[in-house]
Amino acid sequence: DTGVSQDPRHKITKRGQNVTFRCDPISEHNRLYWYRQTLGQGPEFLTYFQNEAQLEKSRLLSDRFSAERPKGSFSTLEIQRTEQGDSAMYLCASSLGGAGYEQYFGPGTRLTVT
Amino acid sequence: EDQVTQSPEALRLQEGESSSLNCSYTVSGLRGLFWYRQDPGKGPEFLFTLYSAGEEKEKERLKATLTKKESFLHITAPKPEDSATYLCAVQARGRGSTLGRLYFGRGTQLTVWP
Repeated sequence: DTGVSQDPRHKITKRGQNVTFRCDPISEHNRLYWYRQTLGQGPEFLTYFQNEAQLEKSRLLSDRFSAERPKGSFSTLEIQRTEQGDSAMYLCASSLGGAGYEQYFGPGTRLTVT
Repeated sequence: EDQVTQSPEALRLQEGESSSLNCSYTVSGLRGLFWYRQDPGKGPEFLFTLYSAGEEKEKERLKATLTKKESFLHITAPKPEDSATYLCAVQARGRGSTLGRLYFGRGTQLTVWP
């Protein structure tokens, strides 16, 4: 069990640029979640996948955000035309199932938009 | 609306001084309540899952309990290495695709000094 991994760990970008983050879940986990966390707050749900299907998106996920999970393995989260308000820690988690199953988090990607 | 409130926001304890953290929740049917530990700059680390009122879980110096409205994380004889932010999250029972997402509180920042 190698755990959830995320890449990059840190990203600094200029406002208006596009960024893409990658998440590799625990191999046997079919559910993958994306959360966003700002300083002093708990993680906020963005979206989740069951295998390759994206089942839900939060209202926090504007049209500038898109997530994919091709072939039900790794996932990518892309932010287009970044804004300073996008600066946050982006967390990925995976679980064996849905309701009742604990979610295991990766180390996060810290995004800073200048 | 599903909500999670944690108190206190911050807690300073001397090494060996036991205390409790509180997590109050409002959810349309509880599927599970989860406790996580988060160190600065890292992703949340899973600690416990509680499913029904009266349930208790223990791990080393930590013990989590659950009632119908709140959960407590009891820390017995804490050590400096227990210093971290402790997050509480709930998962709702219900129909549809909202199953699975976690609703987090803002966390309690615990500092244990020697």
